[in-house]
Amino acid sequence: NAGVMQNPRHLVRRRGQEARLRCSPMKGHSHVYWYRQLPEEGLKFMVYLQKENIIDESGMPKERFSAEFPKEGPSILRIQQVVRGDSAAYFCASSPRSMGAYQETQYFGPGTRLLVL
Amino acid sequence: KQEVTQIPAALSVPEGENLVLNCSFTDSAIYNLQWFRQDPGKGLTSLLLIQSSQREQTSGRLNASLDKSSGRSTLYIAASQPGDSATYLCAVKNQAGTALIFGKGTTLSVSS
Repeated sequence: NAGVMQNPRHLVRRRGQEARLRCSPMKGHSHVYWYRQLPEEGLKFMVYLQKENIIDESGMPKERFSAEFPKEGPSILRIQQVVRGDSAAYFCASSPRSMGAYQETQYFGPGTRLLVL
Repeated sequence: KQEVTQIPAALSVPEGENLVLNCSFTDSAIYNLQWFRQDPGKGLTSLLLIQSSQREQTSGRLNASLDKSSGRSTLYIAASQPGDSATYLCAVKNQAGTALIFGKGTTLSVSS
């Protein structure tokens, strides 16, 4: 059973370009979470999605960032008009059930390192 | 608002030493607490998950304890090895139960 897959692993963009980060959850997992790790900072929650629905986006910046998890295909985190401050590692995690479930945990992907020049 | 703090930020020890990593959280109303390991350029690997009703969990040379009332958890690593070198993160679920709140981590270096 393959783990959580993210691609690309490294992404370089110039200021003003768009960045698209993809996440394929573990087989059988329908819950996806995105986190961002800024240099010298801890991981910060961004958004939680279930198939075709955004459940919690309380950690998403209000502008330029969006996420989706379509019925078919990977989850996509999209950053429009990137700025240097967007440079970070973006991690995706998945779980088979809602995190509200008492013993549920998340399984993390290897991350995408975004560098904005 | 829940905050998670880890001390120390970095730790260097010689091989074979026993060591303790600390994690504290401000809101004691947690569902569970989890310890992860992060290797450079890699994702996170779950090490131990302690439910709020439990006091400790053990896996091999690792032992994690939880004291909810004081808002603290410790990760004890016995007989450390160079392969233990990594960043260790602790995390608790947010109040909505929808995500994890992480500390900044402790970066451990074990020299041979």
